[in-house]
Amino acid sequence: AQKVTQAQTEISVVEKEDVTLDCVYETRDTTYYLFWYKQPPSGELVFLIRRNSFDEQNEISGRYSWNFQKSTSSFNFTITASQVVDSAVYFCALSERGGSEKLVFGKGTKLTVNP
Amino acid sequence: EADIYQTPRYLVIGTGKKITLECSQTMGHDKMYWYQQDPGMELHLIHYSYGVNSTEKGDLSSESTVSRIRTEHFPLTLESARPSHTSQYLCASSEPGTGMNTEAFFGQGTRLTVV
Repeated sequence: AQKVTQAQTEISVVEKEDVTLDCVYETRDTTYYLFWYKQPPSGELVFLIRRNSFDEQNEISGRYSWNFQKSTSSFNFTITASQVVDSAVYFCALSERGGSEKLVFGKGTKLTVNP
Repeated sequence: EADIYQTPRYLVIGTGKKITLECSQTMGHDKMYWYQQDPGMELHLIHYSYGVNSTEKGDLSSESTVSRIRTEHFPLTLESARPSHTSQYLCASSEPGTGMNTEAFFGQGTRLTVV
């Protein structure tokens, strides 16, 4: 069975601090896909990144970076020099081969960035 | 920017009423999904569709029903709403996969309160 665990329920930081959101996953499949979504107060889910299980390269996009480690089944997300606009709930999700209809989400981490 | 729309954004109704939550996308996507997000923020897949006349139940059992008569439209219906149905309902769509998972685009959600 698939499972995604985001152990941090809420995180509060001061602007310009770096923050890492943890994500640990469980799956029996060898082919799977990992996602991060951002949910601002407006409610929609905004896609941030997709990673497949064969690509362990870390990725950087501006202030965002992701660290994928199969050895520890983790897919952590770091925001560098956080800003107030980063305040949102962040979800890590997993799907197995066959399409994103089988997205299994973690419970989310609510990030508050204070000025 | 994703072109997927949900109406209404907010709905407060009395117990026993029949309601339909609307979801439309203009991207021509075959795959569409409904996720339920409870107050604890966790999202669960309740319905999905691979295309016209295709509907499947998701991982979380739901008393709601869906239909897919047109590619762009994927409404969700509750025949008799109850307070336990109070939740946020998020609609999503994605392109047909070619063996690869693709990004799911989400609507802004419908926040339903049954009193």
